[in-house]
Amino acid sequence: NAGVTQTPKFQVLKTGQSMTLQCAQDMNHNSMYWYRQDPGMGLRLIYYSASEGTTDKGEVPNGYNVSRLNKREFSLRLESAAPSQTSVYFCASSENEYEQYFGPGTRLTVT
Amino acid sequence: QKEVEQNSGPLSVPEGAIASLNCTYSDRVSQSFFWYRQYSGKSPELIMSIYSNGDKEDGRFTAQLNKASQYVSLLIRDSQPSDSATYLCAVMDSSYKLIFGSGTRLLVRP
Repeated sequence: NAGVTQTPKFQVLKTGQSMTLQCAQDMNHNSMYWYRQDPGMGLRLIYYSASEGTTDKGEVPNGYNVSRLNKREFSLRLESAAPSQTSVYFCASSENEYEQYFGPGTRLTVT
Repeated sequence: QKEVEQNSGPLSVPEGAIASLNCTYSDRVSQSFFWYRQYSGKSPELIMSIYSNGDKEDGRFTAQLNKASQYVSLLIRDSQPSDSATYLCAVMDSSYKLIFGSGTRLLVRP
C-alpha cells in the first residue's frame, strides 16, 4: 500500500504559468482534501471532495480549481500562478471524514 | 471565525520527562479532535483522535479533552529525542472540515 501519493515533489513556476498537482490514494477512501501550509499559518483547506463526483470549497479556494477524476484521484490546478501561492501543498484522504491521512507534499515556488 | 490556538513553542524538555502540549478551540459544537505529528520537511501524521471528555491513552501518548473548557491536550510520557517535532492540534467543525492550529514545536534534549 503506497497510501497517498503526490506529484511532483517540487516545482518552480513563473508568475502567470499554470500547473496541475496530482494526488492519488490506494486506500479506497471516499473523501479527499487539498491543503496548503505556510510558515506560522498551519494547514488551511483549499478544496475537498466528500465523494466521487462532488467537490466543495474550503477556507482558501481563490486561484485554484479541482477535479475528482475518480475515487482514487483528486487534482489541484493553478490556472495563473501568483507569488502568494508559494507554499507546501498536501493532499489527504479519509474513509469516514474523520481521520485524515496525508501525502508527502508538493513544494511550490512561484517567482 | 473558528479558531484553534496553540503555543508555537519551542517547548523544550529533557529526555525521559513528560511533555505537555495544549490546544484551545473556539467552536463550542466541535465533537472530534485530533493530534498530528509533523517532522521537519515531512507531512503530518495522525497520532491520536479523541471524541469524548476525559483521557485516551495509546502507548506513551495520552490525549485529554475538556469540552466545557474547550481545551485539548497531549501528554507524551518518557519523551525521546525522536519525539522532537511539531505537534498540530486539529478540530472538526460542524461541516466535517478540520481546522488546524499552527502547531507547537517540541524539542527533547538528550
